[in-house]
Amino acid sequence: SQQGEEDPQALSIQEGENATMNCSYKTSINNLQWYRQNSGRGLVHLILIRSNEREKHSGRLRVTLDTSKKSSSLLITASRAADTASYFCATDQKGGANNLFFGTGTRLTVIP
Amino acid sequence: GAGVSQSPSNKVTEKGKDVELRCDPISGHTALYWYRQSLGQGLEFLIYFQGNSAPDKSGLPSDRFSAERTGGSVSTLTIQRTQQEDSAVYLCASSLGSYTDTQYFGPGTRLTVL
Repeated sequence: SQQGEEDPQALSIQEGENATMNCSYKTSINNLQWYRQNSGRGLVHLILIRSNEREKHSGRLRVTLDTSKKSSSLLITASRAADTASYFCATDQKGGANNLFFGTGTRLTVIP
Repeated sequence: GAGVSQSPSNKVTEKGKDVELRCDPISGHTALYWYRQSLGQGLEFLIYFQGNSAPDKSGLPSDRFSAERTGGSVSTLTIQRTQQEDSAVYLCASSLGSYTDTQYFGPGTRLTVL
C-alpha cells in the first residue's frame, strides 16, 4: 500500500514549544501534502511540497522532504493551543493511482 | 466564495436501510473526491470524479457503495443495505484540477448505523 505513516501517533507539548511530526511513505511521489483536521471533521490543506523541493516554509510551518529516505517532516514553531488537531500527510503515486493516500495522522495536543 | 458543503451533517440509520449523502463542491472545481474515515483512523479513498471522465471507483469497498456526479457539480454517495461497519465520517473534497492539486474538504457527514 502507498499509505503514509505518521510518527508519532500522538504528541503533547506545552504552548510555545516546537512540534515535529514525521511522515514516511513507500513509493516514488510527485508531491507530498500536509493537512490538518480539527475534531474529526473536514481537513484543511496546510502546505504542499514537490518531489524536487527539499524544504518549504509557510508562516510557523516548516516542511522538509527527503525523497531518498521517503520521508517528510512537519515542524510547527512556537506552538499555540489553537494548533491542537490531527495532522495528516498525503502522497500521490508517481505513475500510479489517481488519488491521494493519507496516513493515519499525528494527534497534537498543545497545553496552554 | 463558499467552500465545500455536505449534507446531512449527521445521519443515523438502521442496518439494512439505504442512505444518500450529498456533496456540493466549490464552484468551478473539476475534481471531486469521496473519502471515509473511521474513528481515529486516516482517510480511506472511495471514489474520484474528474471532469467528464469516467470516475475512478477503485476505492469503493463493495457493490453496496455507488456515487454519481450530476452536471459536473453536485455528487451523491449512496450506500445500500447499510451495515454497522459502514459507520464512519464520510468526507467530500474538491480541487480545481487533478488529484495532485490542493483538495478542499467539506465538514463531513457522520453516519451511524445501528
